[in-house]
Amino acid sequence: GESVGLHLPTLSVQEGDNSIINCAYSNSASDYFIWYKQESGKGPQFIIDIRSNMDKRQGQRVTVLLNKTVKHLSLQIAATQPGDSAVYFCAEWPASGAQKLVFGQGTRLTINP
Amino acid sequence: EPEVTQTPSHQVTQMGQEVILRCVPISNHLYFYWYRQILGQKVEFLVSFYNNEISEKSEIFDDQFSVERPDGSNFTLKIRSTKLEDSAMYFCARSTGYYNEQFFGPGTRLTVL
Repeated sequence: GESVGLHLPTLSVQEGDNSIINCAYSNSASDYFIWYKQESGKGPQFIIDIRSNMDKRQGQRVTVLLNKTVKHLSLQIAATQPGDSAVYFCAEWPASGAQKLVFGQGTRLTINP
Repeated sequence: EPEVTQTPSHQVTQMGQEVILRCVPISNHLYFYWYRQILGQKVEFLVSFYNNEISEKSEIFDDQFSVERPDGSNFTLKIRSTKLEDSAMYFCARSTGYYNEQFFGPGTRLTVL
């Protein structure tokens, strides 16, 4: 079915440390995933995406890993900064010809000084 | 990230009233979407729109909802008779193509009293 879930609702890390946010999905046919960052009172901001023909994709300080065997997605943020504090959502594009993104519940990341 | 404007930023209305939420798209974006987010919850898909037609709609998008591009520019979401449970943030999103990343606007906060 279509569902995207997150393992942890909250995550706190020290500034400068690396953080890992996890996401599980249930639709094995899904083949496109996006991570979004949402700050308070704002719209979701695109961070990075990955398609199922890849296992890993890197951006600036962020890395997304995709494990299709266990249907697991993760977002790694290196050298976290105070501005990284936000809610992070993974979103899935079902490969059924659907014209939409299915969002997970979100993980609130707090960076402690 | 391409900018998108949504108006109004905040709309307060009485239950049963009609509201129109607007999104100003980018000229080279052909695919448009509306999502909503009830406070503290995940982002939910409402409808996708391409070539002046609805591509897909969710169960939430019932007969009280409609979308259109009345003048070829603004993309609107109309709720004919608002209910208390329609109170949420409404986000417009757009992309350059099917199966591409979606970029979200800042949202309109709708409060139904």
